[in-house]
Amino acid sequence: GAVVSQHPSRVICKSGTSVKIECRSLDFQATTMFWYRQFPKQSLMLMATSNEGSKATYEQGVEKDKFLINHASLTLSTLTVTSAHPEDSSFYICGSGVRETQYFGPGTRLLVL
Amino acid sequence: DAKTTQPTSMDCAEGRAANLPCNHSTISGNEYVYWYRQIHSQGPQYIIHGLKNNETNEMASLIITEDRKSSTLILPHATLRDTAVYYCIASAGGTSYGKLTFGQGTILTVHP
Repeated sequence: GAVVSQHPSRVICKSGTSVKIECRSLDFQATTMFWYRQFPKQSLMLMATSNEGSKATYEQGVEKDKFLINHASLTLSTLTVTSAHPEDSSFYICGSGVRETQYFGPGTRLLVL
Repeated sequence: DAKTTQPTSMDCAEGRAANLPCNHSTISGNEYVYWYRQIHSQGPQYIIHGLKNNETNEMASLIITEDRKSSTLILPHATLRDTAVYYCIASAGGTSYGKLTFGQGTILTVHP
């Protein structure tokens, strides 16, 4: 299967700071990447769809000004959590597809103090 | 994505086959059945998918009923490392169009 990586795997930051999470497709080109969020004991929820060279599409209820997405190349999408607050603490996961199958990164655990 | 229904939890003895059911009675003709699993604190791992026919790979087998309203994921010889949450998803798929909707999944516990 295709390989998706994420960096960092864990990050701790202070409230009010911004955090950038990178998602890379290692062995394929990804015109589209998906960003999910998972709170403890809950399932994955799609936040946004990242499109290479164009604006991201956000799901209802997700603040686009808070979660900035950049997809500048066919192998890299970044999610920046701006002015992070404790309620943004979560597990962030990206995914992208080859043919009809989506593959996921290992996830980034964000803890905002 | 069509709604899927899975049991909340299941147990399986190590070395035995684990059979995980999934109902997707409103699945559309162009929607695949996907199975993923998530081990604690990791991203979802792709297992297998199918459209109409039964499928088998090195990880599992997928049995889809003829009317496509339900399916079963079979792990032929479960190990302790197979303990995870298993998600059944019905989706049109596609690299650009396939937004996956995750339900609560089935917590599979494999015990010695």
